[in-house]
Parts: sequence; C-alpha cells; structure tokens
Amino acid sequence: AQSVTQPDIHITVSEGASLELRCNYSYGATPYLFWYVQSPGQGLQLLLKYFSGDTLVQGIKGFEAEFKRSQSSFNLRKPSVHWSDAAEYFCAVVGSGNTGKLIFGQGTTLQVKP
Amino acid sequence: KAGVTQTPRYLIKTRGQQVTLSCSPISGHRSVSWYQQTPGQGLQFLFEYFSETQRNKGNFPGRFSGRQFSNSRSEMNVSTLELGDSALYLCASSLAGTGGETQYFGPGTRLLVL
Repeated sequence: AQSVTQPDIHITVSEGASLELRCNYSYGATPYLFWYVQSPGQGLQLLLKYFSGDTLVQGIKGFEAEFKRSQSSFNLRKPSVHWSDAAEYFCAVVGSGNTGKLIFGQGTTLQVKP
Repeated sequence: KAGVTQTPRYLIKTRGQQVTLSCSPISGHRSVSWYQQTPGQGLQFLFEYFSETQRNKGNFPGRFSGRQFSNSRSEMNVSTLELGDSALYLCASSLAGTGGETQYFGPGTRLLVL
C-alpha cells in the first residue's frame, strides 16, 4: 500500500537560513508527488508537483523539490526562509486507482525565528 | 476564476445529530474529493466523485456519505455524529481527478461535535 512519511514533525529555522523538509514515500510504480502548504485556518495550497521528467522541480514562493527514486524521497527545499513561510507542510502521493485520492504524510510544522 | 468554496465554514453539532457539508468546485472541474483532517490522524481521504458517481472511497464507516450533482457541486453527510467526528473537512476539485492532476482545496468546514 502507498504511504508517505515526513520524519520531522516540527522544524525551527532562522529567517534567511536554508530549509529542507524531508519526505519519503512507498509506491510500486513511478509516483505522482506533491507538496502542499497550509496556513492556520486555511485550506491547502499547492507548492509544486512531480510526475515525470526532470527530477528537480521548481514551485511557487521560491520552493523546489528533488525526486530521488533510489532513496524514495521527495525533499522540499528553500535557500532562504522568510517569516511568512511559517506554516504546515504536507507531502502527498496519488493513491491507488489514480482517481482523486491523495495520501498525505503527517505534516511538518515550520516555525521561523526572527 | 473563483476557487473552491465550502459552506458552512464552521458548525457545532451534538452527538447523534447529522450534518451536511457543501462544496462548490472550480468552474469546469468535474472531480470532487473529500478529506478529513484531525490532529491525531492527519489528512485522510473520504471519497471522490466524478460525474455524479462515487469512484473511490476511503476507510470510513457508512455514516459518512456523499453525493455529487449535475453541476459538479458536492455534498457530504455524516449521520449519527460522534465526538471523534470533530475535524476540519476539506474538499478539493480537479478537472478529471486522474493521474498527476492538481487538486485545488477549499478553506474547509470546521465541525465541532459536543
């Protein structure tokens, strides 16, 4: 069965520092992978997605992610974090049947120190 | 283009009651998926509808049901509410709900069961 693991429940970084959020997936075939962000009291906003081609994917707000099949990972990175990036981040994979089902990791809460 | 809208945004019910939540997808989107978000279980897939048919279903009891109308608007219903049903319910829409299509999320309905 497909699954997604985000090993870090909570991460704190200083403003201006670099960021890497980890995501590991379990899926038999080539996965469709997503990163979403959720600010308090709001729905989820797509940051970026991967489904084929270049393994380094660029997203919105300066985020990027790298797909590594050998490590079953899809880590999210940002070179310089802004205070407005404080939020909860979710990694997701398309579930079996490929119809409208996303399987999410538990999420990583990012706190940004001034 | 208007985003996904969900009504109501907040709801308080008592145990044993039933509740109906509504979701209007982005214009032109025919797939609507529903998710439950709780602090303990995270984001879990409930079901997905396409062209008024349920195509995919998660592991939730039969008290959770849904439907989709010809204009793609969707409703979900929870009968005989339990305290554990307190959650943020999110709906997401996509064009056809297949493969690597992006799901666009609404702001959610926060349900509190007393």
